[in-house]
Amino acid sequence: ETGVTQTPRHLVMGMTNKKSLKCEQHLGHNAMYWYKQSAKKPLELMFVYSLEERVENNSVPSRFSPECPNSSHLFLHLHTLQPEDSALYLCASSQETNGVADTQYFGPGTRLTVL
Amino acid sequence: GQNIDQPTEMTATEGAIVQINCTYQTSGFNGLFWYQQHAGEAPTFLSYNVLDGLEEKGRFSSFLSRSKGYSYLLLKELQMKDSASYLCAVRLSGGSYIPTFGRGTSLIVHP
Repeated sequence: ETGVTQTPRHLVMGMTNKKSLKCEQHLGHNAMYWYKQSAKKPLELMFVYSLEERVENNSVPSRFSPECPNSSHLFLHLHTLQPEDSALYLCASSQETNGVADTQYFGPGTRLTVL
Repeated sequence: GQNIDQPTEMTATEGAIVQINCTYQTSGFNGLFWYQQHAGEAPTFLSYNVLDGLEEKGRFSSFLSRSKGYSYLLLKELQMKDSASYLCAVRLSGGSYIPTFGRGTSLIVHP
């Protein structure tokens, strides 16, 4: 248990579906992240929220839409995805002080399959 | 651009010692992390080095040489449960403070 939970753990969806991934952290951190992890590739940073404001968006397609309603919760809304979007989506949190992020703590991920 | 290089896969025998290397070429440096990730689970923090030298934590040790852009993770007295992927991540100085990850090294420990 890392203090970061993600639901669902597994998701299969068609290209026309709309679904949402949920992340919750119980560590009192002020920054949260979405990563994409594909086989044989480095973790790809998708979105960063610091103090509930989005501070980074690494050229992610608009079919991925993040939402951070408070410092403990992070969502990733999915719409009209492509088969190449199938991957493990990891959420992480950390404490950020003066613009520097401390150690990140990761959730177990959502294994997404797009048919 | 930033480049972080790790071997893709390594195998070792239970009870042995294994060293997983990570080399990096980055614009600036502000620390290096090692994470362990078992299949289907969250990456978990193992170590953080920002100064040169060796940091020891039980069976695991991590070494850093900033001048060489090089780190290694040393695992002693290997156990079957150490079979996992080991991720090296470098935090840059200035600009984005978020670590950049390597591809990870898949370690297989066999009896």
